[in-house]
Formats: sequence, C-alpha cells, structure tokens
Amino acid sequence: DGGITQSPKYLFRKEGQNVTLSCEQNLNHDAMYWYRQDPGQGLRLIYYSQIVNDFQKGDIAEGYSVSREKKESFPLTVTSAQKNPTAFYLCASSIRGLAGGTSTDTQYFGPGTRLTVL
Amino acid sequence: DAKTTQPPSMDCAEGRAANLPCNHSTISGNEYVYWYRQIHSQGPQYIIHGLKNNETNEMASLIITEDRKSSTLILPHATLRDTAVYYCIVRVAGSGYALNFGKGTSLLVTP
Repeated sequence: DGGITQSPKYLFRKEGQNVTLSCEQNLNHDAMYWYRQDPGQGLRLIYYSQIVNDFQKGDIAEGYSVSREKKESFPLTVTSAQKNPTAFYLCASSIRGLAGGTSTDTQYFGPGTRLTVL
Repeated sequence: DAKTTQPPSMDCAEGRAANLPCNHSTISGNEYVYWYRQIHSQGPQYIIHGLKNNETNEMASLIITEDRKSSTLILPHATLRDTAVYYCIVRVAGSGYALNFGKGTSLLVTP
C-alpha cells in the first residue's frame, strides 16, 4: 500500500522535553514538507526538503529541527525552545519540488500527529 | 500566490450536487487553481487542479471561468463522507513551496 505514514497519531510530552515525529513515504517522492495546524487555522510551513541531505526553513522554523538522510524519511524534532508546541503536525510529499511542473508539484498529506505538551 | 475568497460555510443535501465557489480575481497567467479538503482531525486530501480548462476526475469537477477570476468545485452526488473543510488554493505550479491554506469552506452534507 503506497502512501505517507505518520506516527504516532497522538503524542503527549512534558514541557521541556524534546520529541521527534516520524514521517515516512514509499511513493518515491523527492520533496517532503512539515506543516503545523492550530485549531481553526490554516496550515503553516515549518520545514521542507527538495532532495536528500538538503532542507530549508519555512515560515515558522524556530524551535524545530529536521533531517533528511533517506529519501523516504523526514523526521521532525520539536525542541524545548518551541514556545507553543501543542498542535496538529502534518507531513506531505510531492514527486518534485521546485521547477517540477503541475503534476509533480501536487502535495499529498499524511494522517497527522496530534502533539500535546502538558 | 494570489489570494482566494471562499464562503465560510455551506450545506448540501445528500445525493445532490455540491457546488463550492472560489474567487481569485488577482490570479496571474501562470497560476493554477488547486482544491484540497480536510475531514476533521485528518490530513488534507488533494482533490483536483486546473489552469484554464475545466477538469474532471473520479472525485470532482473543476469549472474555471473564462477570465479565470473564479472557479467552482462540483461534487456531483454528495455523501455524508464529503462533510469537510474545502480549500481553494492558487499558486504557481512548480514553485515547490508551501501551500497557502486559508480558512476554506466548511461543507455540511445532511441526510
């Protein structure tokens, strides 16, 4: 079954702890993205990666870190420096990123991880 | 990316067509119209996209006006499972950057 998986679906952490959210895709997509969604709000871009071993900050990267050591994996770490980490986190991927054309640019999303910091 | 305007909410009876409008009066020539939907507590789902011609797939049809300043997403036979927030997004294809999800339209399909 092809797709994007995120685990776990729900995650609880104590304030001050770092936590890593998993995102895996078996679609052979080059580009991967992390978004954050707060209640009643749209999605905001945290980080994105166009290719293995390369990634760029999005609009709200402070307090987050990522790695892209493998094409199929793009984990997101929420550090203790993130002021308001409680949110719904969404991972997405597309065949290509920049200069890819319409069909290769379409982003497909995983089911999301709901992080609650107590 | 061009700004879009959508009604905040709409209702539709099950089995009827749901027509969701979107205004994008400042769209430029190389910007595409994309539609996504998000069912509560799930990740957004891609529906369809187009440039200027009408498009149809197994989920929906996209009608874009000749001047490209507005579009309509049509779900031909709405079911209860189509209840979701629908987002109209206008962007340059291949820009490889974030999707700008606004507030969208909350569609409620009723029995």
